[in-house]
Amino acid sequence: SQKIEQNSEALNIQEGKTATLTCNYTNYSPAYLQWYRQDPGRGPVFLLLIRENEKEKRKERLKVTFDTTLKQSLFHITASQPADSATYLCALDMDTGRRALTFGSGTRLQVQP
Amino acid sequence: DTGVSQNPRHKITKRGQNVTFRCDPISEHNRLYWYRQTLGQGPEFLTYFQNEAQLEKSRLLSDRFSAERPKGSFSTLEIQRTEQGDSAMYLCASNLPETQGNEQFFGPGTRLTVL
Repeated sequence: SQKIEQNSEALNIQEGKTATLTCNYTNYSPAYLQWYRQDPGRGPVFLLLIRENEKEKRKERLKVTFDTTLKQSLFHITASQPADSATYLCALDMDTGRRALTFGSGTRLQVQP
Repeated sequence: DTGVSQNPRHKITKRGQNVTFRCDPISEHNRLYWYRQTLGQGPEFLTYFQNEAQLEKSRLLSDRFSAERPKGSFSTLEIQRTEQGDSAMYLCASNLPETQGNEQFFGPGTRLTVL
């Protein structure tokens, strides 16, 4: 069966450390993988997109890797801040007609000051 | 503000009642998506529009659900004879994938509670 797995347990880290979140998938072949941030009671906000032929993408303090052999993406936030506390969702984009996204259940990140 | 807007933000209704939600996408976006999100889960695709045409509906969308986008601008999602299992956050997103990539812009959502 098709699955997208993100760590359902909250990730607690100290301010200034690097947060690493994992997204694993099975029985999908995404052309792209996207990461979104969601705050309580709000809609998701796009952060980064990585293509299947890219290994790594960076944007300011954010870094995403994509390993299509392992079927895994890692999302890193360096020099984390309390304002980074949120739920982070990975989403698979199959690049087929509708281009709707298939989301994981998200990982809650809590950055302690 | 040129972001995606949704109304109402919250709706409480009794089981068996009909409800309608509205989504106003970013004006130049030709694609509009509806998703549903329950607590602790990611958004799940319900349906999408390319301009005014509804091109796909998920199996999650029972015949009690109907969506329209009459002029290719705003969209409505109606749920008839609501059930407690319909309680969720209903999210709308829009984009223009042909020229801007498939990044999706989400609205704040409408939280539905069915008593």
